[in-house]
This record gives sequence, C-alpha cells and structure tokens, in this order.
Amino acid sequence: GEDVEQSLFLSVREGDSSVINCTYTDSSSTYLYWYKQEPGAGLQLLTYIFSNMDMKQDQRLTVLLNKKDKHLSLRIADTQTGDSAIYFCAGGGSHMNYGGSQGNLIFGKGTKLSVKP
Amino acid sequence: KAGVTQTPRYLIKTRGQQVTLSCSPISGHRSVSWYQQTPGQGLQFLFEYFSETQRNKGNFPGRFSGRQFSNSRSEMNVSTLELGDSALYLCASSIVDGSYEQYFGPGTRLTVT
Repeated sequence: GEDVEQSLFLSVREGDSSVINCTYTDSSSTYLYWYKQEPGAGLQLLTYIFSNMDMKQDQRLTVLLNKKDKHLSLRIADTQTGDSAIYFCAGGGSHMNYGGSQGNLIFGKGTKLSVKP
Repeated sequence: KAGVTQTPRYLIKTRGQQVTLSCSPISGHRSVSWYQQTPGQGLQFLFEYFSETQRNKGNFPGRFSGRQFSNSRSEMNVSTLELGDSALYLCASSIVDGSYEQYFGPGTRLTVT
C-alpha cells in the first residue's frame, strides 16, 4: 500500500517563503493533494497536482512534483501568520479505482507550520 | 453554496455503546468519504459511498459501518465502542465527474469514556 511521509515541524519568519516536503511510495496515485488544517477545524483543500505534471502555481502556492524521486513539495510565498496550521499531503485516485473515484486518500502525518512575526 | 455539514460536532459516549454520525455533502456532490483522525495514527480512510453503494473500504473492523441515502447524505455507525475509537471523524464530499477535489466538513469529535 501507499505510504506518505512528511517532516513534522517547520518554523519560518513572516514574509519568508515556506517549503513543505512530502515523499510517497505508490506511483499509481493519479493526483497529489495539499490540505491545510487549522486548530479545531476540518481540512481545507489548498491545491492539487495531476501526476503527469511537474509544477502547478496558484497565487502564493507553488507545487513541485518530482516523479522520479517520488517527492512533492508545497512552497508558500510571503508566508503570513495566518498561514500557521498543519499541512497534509495526500495521494489518491489510484488507477485501480473505478469511475474516477478519489475517495480513498492516503495522508501523511502532517507538517506543523509556525510563522513567527 | 453551503459546505459539508456534520452532526453532531461533539459527542461523549461510554464503552460498549454505539454511535451514529451524520454527514450532508455539498449540494450536487454524490460521493461521500469518511476518515478517522487520531494523534497517533493520523488520518485514516474508513469508507467511501457513491450512489448509495460502498465503493471503497479502509482497514477497520466490522464495528464501523456506513450507508448513503438517495439524497447523498451519509451516516456512519460505530457499534460496541472502545476507548481507542475516540477521534475526530471527518466526512468529505466530491463530484465524481472528472473533478478530483474532496471537500471536508468540520468533523465530529467523539470521546469514548
């Protein structure tokens, strides 16, 4: 089965860029996702990348995918204190699922991002 | 458009009891997935329902079950509760038409004493 690994903590200063890294073992995932969770809340979908893409940019967020090394990263430009949260990467959409189902995402343990003013 | 709603938000039960959690997906979303989140195990997939049928199931005992109704609302049930079932239970909905985005509800915090 798939395993997704992330470093547990990251601390940056406000205004700096943050880079959160993730490695995954199952290359059959069709999509790779980044979610954000604030205390006491559910998960917020930030962005996702199709497995045949190398990069996706969405405003302050840049996702890089290195398929050879099975490495995914999320870069947050101009990090703000409001970005402090836990960030999860997840893989899903294995070709073994039928009907385009993405229902069984495999999550990493999450990276806690702390932004210092 | 309203987001995914889950009820109740908080629940306290005792060992041996059973519990039913409810999830209403975003209007038009036909797939509902359930996840369990604990500090030790992280986020783990429970099951997914689409058109009232279970399509995928995670590695959980048979005490965990679910169903989906014709209006896409879903319920999950846990019977014979154990202390280890204390967790945040998250529901996510998605459109299954080429879109691959799952939207999560705020979760139900279940405490088993």
